[in-house]
Amino acid sequence: AQSVAQPEDQVNVAEGNPLTVKCTYSVSGNPYLFWYVQYPNRGLQFLLKYITGDNLVKGSYGFEAEFNKSQTSFHLKKPSALVSDSALYFCAVRDRNTGGFKTIFGAGTRLFVKA
Amino acid sequence: DAGVTQSPTHLIKTRGQQVTLRCSPKSGHDTVSWYQQALGQGPQFIFQYYEEEERQRGNFPDRFSGHQFPNYSSELNVNALLLGDSALYLCASSLYRTNTGELFFGEGSRLTVL
Repeated sequence: AQSVAQPEDQVNVAEGNPLTVKCTYSVSGNPYLFWYVQYPNRGLQFLLKYITGDNLVKGSYGFEAEFNKSQTSFHLKKPSALVSDSALYFCAVRDRNTGGFKTIFGAGTRLFVKA
Repeated sequence: DAGVTQSPTHLIKTRGQQVTLRCSPKSGHDTVSWYQQALGQGPQFIFQYYEEEERQRGNFPDRFSGHQFPNYSSELNVNALLLGDSALYLCASSLYRTNTGELFFGEGSRLTVL
């Protein structure tokens, strides 16, 4: 069965410092991997995705993520955090072999950036 | 360019009642997926509709049903509501032929079951 683990419920970082939000996954074959962000009382917004190719993926708002096949991880990173980055972040996977859009989400990690 | 729109934004029902939630996909999209997001949890896949048919389904009981219309809009119906059905229900749209694509989410319908 497919699953996504986000081991940290909350990540705290000071503004200007680098941030990392961790994600590991379990899925048969090669998955499609995604990061989404959710602001209070809003739907999810797409940040970035890994489909194939370069293991380092760049996305919106200066975020990037590194795909590591051997560790089955897809950690979200940003070199310099902003207070406005404070939100709930979800890692998600989709099995490329089954087709369709069934996407499995992690439980989420709340990022708090302190000024 | 209109994004994904959902209605109603909030609603309150009592146990045993039935509810219908509505979704209009992003312009140009033909596939609609529904997700349930309980408080403090990630979204859980309910089902996906394309060409007016349910194509994929998650681990939800038959009380959860849906429909897609020729204009690609969709409804989610939940019968015999339980307290545990209280959640934010998210609609997401996509283009079927590009299943590598990201999902575009609406802002959700928050259902409270008393």
